[in-house]
Amino acid sequence: QVQLQESGPGLVEPSQTLSLTCSVSGDSINSGGYYWSWIRQHPGKGLEWIGYVYYSGSTYYNPALKSPATVSLDTSRTQFSLKLTSVTAADTAVYYCARFDMVWGVFDPWGQGALVTVSS
Amino acid sequence: EIVLTQSPATLSLSPGERATLSCRASQSVGSSLAWYQQKPGQAPRLLIYGVSDRATGIPARFSGSGSGTDFTLTISSLEPEDVATYYCQQRSNWPPVAFGPGTKVDI
Repeated sequence: QVQLQESGPGLVEPSQTLSLTCSVSGDSINSGGYYWSWIRQHPGKGLEWIGYVYYSGSTYYNPALKSPATVSLDTSRTQFSLKLTSVTAADTAVYYCARFDMVWGVFDPWGQGALVTVSS
Repeated sequence: EIVLTQSPATLSLSPGERATLSCRASQSVGSSLAWYQQKPGQAPRLLIYGVSDRATGIPARFSGSGSGTDFTLTISSLEPEDVATYYCQQRSNWPPVAFGPGTKVDI
C-alpha cells in the first residue's frame, strides 16, 4: 500500500525559505490519475490546501496563499517537495503531504505530518 | 470560490448515540463531496468519498448523504474511538479544493 512521509527542518527563520520533502513508497509518482499534494494545518485550526504537482510537472496552487509556494517532483520520482519563500510566523503549521485522486477528488492517503515553526 | 460551512462546531454526545454532522456549500458541488476524520495528534483519514461511499476499512456506522449544497455525515452509534474532528471537502471547481472548518465530536 502507498505510504507518504514528510521530512525537513522543524524550525525556519522569518523571511527564509521553508523546504519539505515527501517520500512516496508503494506507488509510483509516474502513475497517472493522481496529483501529489501539500496541505497545512495551523495550530488548532482547519486544513488549508497549498498546491499539487502531477507526474508531468504541471502544478496548481492555492491563490489565497500569502507566501509564494513551489511544489516540484524530485528527479528520482520517488519524492516531491514544497518550498515556501519569505515565510512569516503565519506559516507556522503542521504540513502534510497527500495523494490526490483525480477520479474521486479526494486526498488519500496522507503522511503523518511535519510541524514547522517559523521563529528567530 | 465555493465555501463550505459545517455545523455544529462542536457536538457532545454519549456512547451509543447517533451523531449528525452537517456540511453546506455556497453553491452546488454535485457529488464531489468527501469527509475526513482527524483524531487528536493524527493526520486526517478519508472516511467518505462521492457523498456516500465509505473508504476502505471504514466501519459501517459511518454514512454520508446529501446532494447539491447540503450534505450529512452520520455516525449511527458513537464509539469512544470516534472522538475526532470531522472535515468535509469539495473539488467541484477543481483544481482548487476547499475544506470545511470542521466539527469536533466529543464523548
